[in-house]
Amino acid sequence: GAGVSQSPRYKVAKRGQDVALRCDPISGHVSLFWYQQALGQGPEFLTYFQNEAQLDKSGLPSDRFFAERPEGSVSTLKIQRTQQEDSAVYLCASSQTSGRVYEQYFGPGTRLTVT
Amino acid sequence: GESVGLHLPTLSVQEGDNSIINCAYSNSASDYFIWYKQESGKGPQFIIDIRSNMDKRQGQRVTVLLNKTVKHLSLQIAATQPGDSAVYFCAEPPQYNQGGKLIFGQGTELSVKP
Repeated sequence: GAGVSQSPRYKVAKRGQDVALRCDPISGHVSLFWYQQALGQGPEFLTYFQNEAQLDKSGLPSDRFFAERPEGSVSTLKIQRTQQEDSAVYLCASSQTSGRVYEQYFGPGTRLTVT
Repeated sequence: GESVGLHLPTLSVQEGDNSIINCAYSNSASDYFIWYKQESGKGPQFIIDIRSNMDKRQGQRVTVLLNKTVKHLSLQIAATQPGDSAVYFCAEPPQYNQGGKLIFGQGTELSVKP
């Protein structure tokens, strides 16, 4: 079956540009997560949705980062006025709830390079 | 605070040998751990999990051992194959968080020599 898909796979942005990263979770998965992964590091939590509700955004590094999931399926992570330190792989994951929420299915990620 | 860390950043093994990847944690109240595998260019993939009421859990060619006394867990891979080459992360939920957030360790890169 189809897994989690993300687009674009690669994005190069000039410093100061806005970017939008898309995530299509596995159909029927209620929970959706965004993580940021710097080179050589483990993923770091950014934010979490249950259906369309953003229940935890404690990991968003600044108010330049914004995520939405308006219809409880596709999600978009937006970064405004990108900075070089935003360069990373942005991973999206989805999971079922009720006991398996930590068994997260990850997409391939979007590699963002800010020049 | 909570942290999940790994002893070794890289591990090289011969094909067919067993691999052991280690992970230390700092929060004695941690009660659930997960191992993820990340191949180059891909997102992490769930391998196996273990709850703190268990000392050992086995999957297909993988075994996770949990030593709560020294706050250490390990992932053992039997008869390591080239397809096992990847970065392996241990992860745990933060204390008091039921939402699904995971804290990942730095990772160990496993390289399998043919």
